[in-house]
Amino acid sequence: DADVTQTPRNRITKTGKRIMLECSQTKGHDRMYWYRQDPGLGLRLIYYSFDVKDINKGEISDGYSVSRQAQAKFSLSLESAIPNQTALYFCATSVGQGKGETQYFGPGTRLLVL
Amino acid sequence: DAKTTQPTSMDCAEGRAANLPCNHSTISGNEYVYWYRQIHSQGPQYIIHGLKNNETNEMASLIITEDRKSSTLILPHATLRDTAVYYCIVRVAENYGQNFVFGPGTRLSVLP
Repeated sequence: DADVTQTPRNRITKTGKRIMLECSQTKGHDRMYWYRQDPGLGLRLIYYSFDVKDINKGEISDGYSVSRQAQAKFSLSLESAIPNQTALYFCATSVGQGKGETQYFGPGTRLLVL
Repeated sequence: DAKTTQPTSMDCAEGRAANLPCNHSTISGNEYVYWYRQIHSQGPQYIIHGLKNNETNEMASLIITEDRKSSTLILPHATLRDTAVYYCIVRVAENYGQNFVFGPGTRLSVLP
């Protein structure tokens, strides 16, 4: 969905490096999420934010941090990358429509940690 | 844990309707049925969701049984671009901050 964009789309980095993944949205949604997907597994929630400056941990937040300085942007940082953080990362936004929350996903960032 | 069971894979001829079943026998009264799909490592794409009534949008129809223990996603005229993994997810309606639990899904192959 072009309304949710992620940069970079692909990234190769080395163990111990700090990297940042960016997510931007033009949907005007307040809620934003970061997930990771590993081969053969479902999506797992890393962090989520209900509004600017609001940060909440998901099920696998260790080794990650996030920043929400503006409604449209939600950044994910790997403080010191390690190989088992190699995965596909997705950003999502959501809106409640009076009949359940619907999440909209970005195209993903493929990260390889060597 | 996934609250749904879906066939591992299905085939469908191009131009025909694709009917994807999902069992959710332990669904609670306040849980919606959602369908997403993922095309080859792209971001999951929202398709449709519903509570108890059948729903239709420009992409698909969702048929939920009266007891709500199962549902069927219908793609009325499948095209090759509909080849994807389809996920049926059961989730409380207003559960912000909780992830959508994507199980293994059904791999739909639309054949020419």
